[in-house]
Amino acid sequence: GESVGLHLPTLSVQEGDNSIINCAYSNSASDYFIWYKQESGKGPQFIIDIRSNMDKRQGQRVTVLLNKTVKHLSLQIAATQPGDSAVYFCAENKGDYKLSFGAGTTVTVRA
Amino acid sequence: EPEVTQTPSHQVTQMGQEVILRCVPISNHLYFYWYRQILGQKVEFLVSFYNNEISEKSEIFDDQFSVERPDGSNFTLKIRSTKLEDSAMYFCASSEVGNEQFFGPGTRLTVL
Repeated sequence: GESVGLHLPTLSVQEGDNSIINCAYSNSASDYFIWYKQESGKGPQFIIDIRSNMDKRQGQRVTVLLNKTVKHLSLQIAATQPGDSAVYFCAENKGDYKLSFGAGTTVTVRA
Repeated sequence: EPEVTQTPSHQVTQMGQEVILRCVPISNHLYFYWYRQILGQKVEFLVSFYNNEISEKSEIFDDQFSVERPDGSNFTLKIRSTKLEDSAMYFCASSEVGNEQFFGPGTRLTVL
């Protein structure tokens, strides 16, 4: 069936190191992908998005990579900071304005 | 910076009661959404709304649920007869056409 999922439920990273969060999706028709960050007690916060006609997009300290061949999405966070501790969700959009979220990866930054 | 707001932040209700969750989307956005997140689980789509009608709804969004845009600024989710399993965080979101969805802070609904 259709699903968006993350490979690992938790990730512990040393402050200052780079983080890589992975996501696999199964619907090859999806054309838009978003990474959200959710801090405790708050709503999902947009981080970065990418359309299916791209394979890489960079933002401030974040990079999203899209590999359509293996239906894989990743979020790279450079120089991880304590404020990056949160749950990260990938979401896909099939052009119908309905987001399908993955299960989430909890990132914990060690000082 | 414009943001989506939601009220109340926490709603406690008795099983079988009706609740209305309120949202004020970003003012120039045209698409509105409700999602829910059961504690510890992923965010689930409920419904999208455009041009004063439902665009799409999920299996979760049954006859107990309804949405309304009563005026030019508010967007509401009504649950007619709440069940224990309706306890969750409910998030409202809005977007311009084809752009990212901005989420509100959520309403925590507790059904006793």
